[in-house]
Amino acid sequence: GAVVSQHPSWVICKSGTSVKIECRSLDFQATTMFWYRQFPKQSLMLMATSNEGSKATYEQGVEKDKFLINHASLTLSTLTVTSAHPEDSSFYICSARPPGRGEQFFGPGTRLTVL
Amino acid sequence: EDQVTQSPEALRLQEGESSSLNCSYTVSGLRGLFWYRQDPGKGPEFLFTLYSAGEEKEKERLKATLTKKESFLHITAPKPEDSATYLCAVQVSGNTPLVFGKGTRLSVIA
Repeated sequence: GAVVSQHPSWVICKSGTSVKIECRSLDFQATTMFWYRQFPKQSLMLMATSNEGSKATYEQGVEKDKFLINHASLTLSTLTVTSAHPEDSSFYICSARPPGRGEQFFGPGTRLTVL
Repeated sequence: EDQVTQSPEALRLQEGESSSLNCSYTVSGLRGLFWYRQDPGKGPEFLFTLYSAGEEKEKERLKATLTKKESFLHITAPKPEDSATYLCAVQVSGNTPLVFGKGTRLSVIA
């Protein structure tokens, strides 16, 4: 149980385009999901907390107009990187928390490369 | 400020050489402590949850323990497939995100 999927697993795009990443909890409903980015050999960096039916809470320094998060249902959250630039290239990982539990279960991650 | 510190940053073991990873925390209140394993290019994989001092959890060659100030992940007779980054995280309150340490990169050499 507690499986989280992400799509796509990798994406290459041109500078200036927008990219959408989907995160789904497959066997549980998640009122709260989290988005992270990770640079090579570095730890997870929390970008935002996504709550179903309400606005996401962004961490300090994360541009909310650039990283749009939508948590439209109890099993789906999306991250859209708008007007992507090479510095946005990174490994993006989502996680979801089952109701009443403290654990966060992570997706497999999405490798974004912006040319 | 809530903090999680993991040591060592990196650890190289021979196959079969048992050792321990440390996770120390300074938090306003502990609701749970979690261990994850992360392989390169993948999302973290959940291993254990510990809730109170004295609690222990085991899975194959791994055993996690918890005191009031730190947690240990003991690895007994490791194999090369145990090579990964091990992450420790704490939940402080409510539905807040986990606070992660920077991880320990474990390499097990055959």
